[in-house]
Amino acid sequence: LAKTTQPISMDSYEGQEVNITCSHNNIATNDYITWYQQFPSQGPRFIIQGYKTKVTNEVASLFIPADRKSSTLSLPRVSLSDTAVYYCLVGDWAYGNNRLAFGKGNQVVVIP
Amino acid sequence: DGGITQSPKYLFRKEGQNVTLSCEQNLNHDAMYWYRQDPGQGLRLIYYSQIVNDFQKGDIAEGYSVSREKKESFPLTVTSAQKNPTAFYLCASSRTPGALLNEQFFGPGTRLTVL
Repeated sequence: LAKTTQPISMDSYEGQEVNITCSHNNIATNDYITWYQQFPSQGPRFIIQGYKTKVTNEVASLFIPADRKSSTLSLPRVSLSDTAVYYCLVGDWAYGNNRLAFGKGNQVVVIP
Repeated sequence: DGGITQSPKYLFRKEGQNVTLSCEQNLNHDAMYWYRQDPGQGLRLIYYSQIVNDFQKGDIAEGYSVSREKKESFPLTVTSAQKNPTAFYLCASSRTPGALLNEQFFGPGTRLTVL
C-alpha cells in the first residue's frame, strides 16, 4: 500500500472553498486515490475516489495531476459541519486488494 | 434501512476478561473489516474477511480473534492477551472483493474501556 502524507491540521472560514492536499510519491500504476471524512466518535465516510485528472460529485472535487504523486480534495463553500478529519488513501483495489491504510489524516476546522 | 450496526456503543470490562464486540450488516456485502482507533490516530486494521468462513489478519491482530459464520455477522473478541485494549473499535463492510470502487461502509463504533 502506497504511503500518503497529509498536513496535520488546517483552519478555514465558513463559506470559503477548502483545498486539502495529500502527497503519495510512491503511487503505483494500478493505484486509485480515495478520500474519507470522519466526525468525532463516528466511523469514516467515503467522499470520493479517482485515478487521474478531475473527479467531481455532489460533495467534493478531486484533482490529480499528471504525475499522480499528489492529490487535492476541494470542498466548496464549507460550513461548520464540515469540521472533521479527512483521510487520503491509496491502493490498487481493482485487483483484489481491498485493504485500506488510514494515516492520521488532516484535521480541518471551519471557523465562523 | 440498510447499514451496519455495532453494539454496544460503550463497553466497560475488567482487565483480564475477554469481551466480544458485535457487528451486523444487511447490505449484502461480502467483505467485512475490524479497525481500532486510538485518540488522535488513524484507523488500524485488526482483521478482515472477504467471504464467509474465511478471514485474514490485519496489521495488529495479536490479542484479537474473529469468526465469520454468516455473511451478515463478523464478531470481534478482544482477549486478555491484548495488552492495551482500551480503544474505539470500528466495523466496516464493502462489496465483492476486487470491485473497482472499494467503498467501505462503517458502523457507529464501540468504545471499549478496560478498567
